[in-house]
Amino acid sequence: DAGVTQSPTHLIKTRGQQVTLRCSPKSGHDTVSWYQQALGQGPQFIFQYYEEEERQRGNFPDRFSGHQFPNYSSELNVNALLLGDSALYLCASSFATETDTQYFGPGTRLTVL
Amino acid sequence: RKEVEQDPGPFNVPEGATVAFNCTYSNSASQSFFWYRQDCRKEPKLLMSVYSSGNEDGRFTAQLNRASQYISLLIRDSKLSDSATYLCVVIYNTDKLIFGTGTRLQVFP
Repeated sequence: DAGVTQSPTHLIKTRGQQVTLRCSPKSGHDTVSWYQQALGQGPQFIFQYYEEEERQRGNFPDRFSGHQFPNYSSELNVNALLLGDSALYLCASSFATETDTQYFGPGTRLTVL
Repeated sequence: RKEVEQDPGPFNVPEGATVAFNCTYSNSASQSFFWYRQDCRKEPKLLMSVYSSGNEDGRFTAQLNRASQYISLLIRDSKLSDSATYLCVVIYNTDKLIFGTGTRLQVFP
């Protein structure tokens, strides 16, 4: 039973570029949440997807967008990268009826130069 | 004021010691509470849920005080392998987890 997977593991970009991060949920899960974890901080909620729709969004600018596919996998896109976007991006999956029980993937470490 | 606050530590304790962490939350409508553990450069993993009646899992005990809006985690007989960051998590709707900044624990021989 595969857990949550994310790709790529690491990524280096420069300011102004765009990036796409990918997540495959745990088998059977239909809901995907994305979090940003800056160094020394706890994860911050970005948004959550269910049935290919954004269900809830945290306090992040429109530069952060996402998508969920029919197979429940998800992408996080960040446009016009800033130095402050450097962080560990975590994907978590859950059942729609049990979103308080979320399983995290290993994360994608994004460095913006 | 942050929604969930924790002392970042680090807490440096010898093996066998008992250590306690506290976490306070600001939203009285908070519904669910958890402790997660995060090892260096790894993802957070659920350690235990926190119930009003308190709950215990081996060497770990979690308690919730709704009146004072705080959660605690007690670790008894600390092991070297307990060294990690402990994240307090609160949910006040069912859609997102709200994390504290984490408390770093270092257990030394």
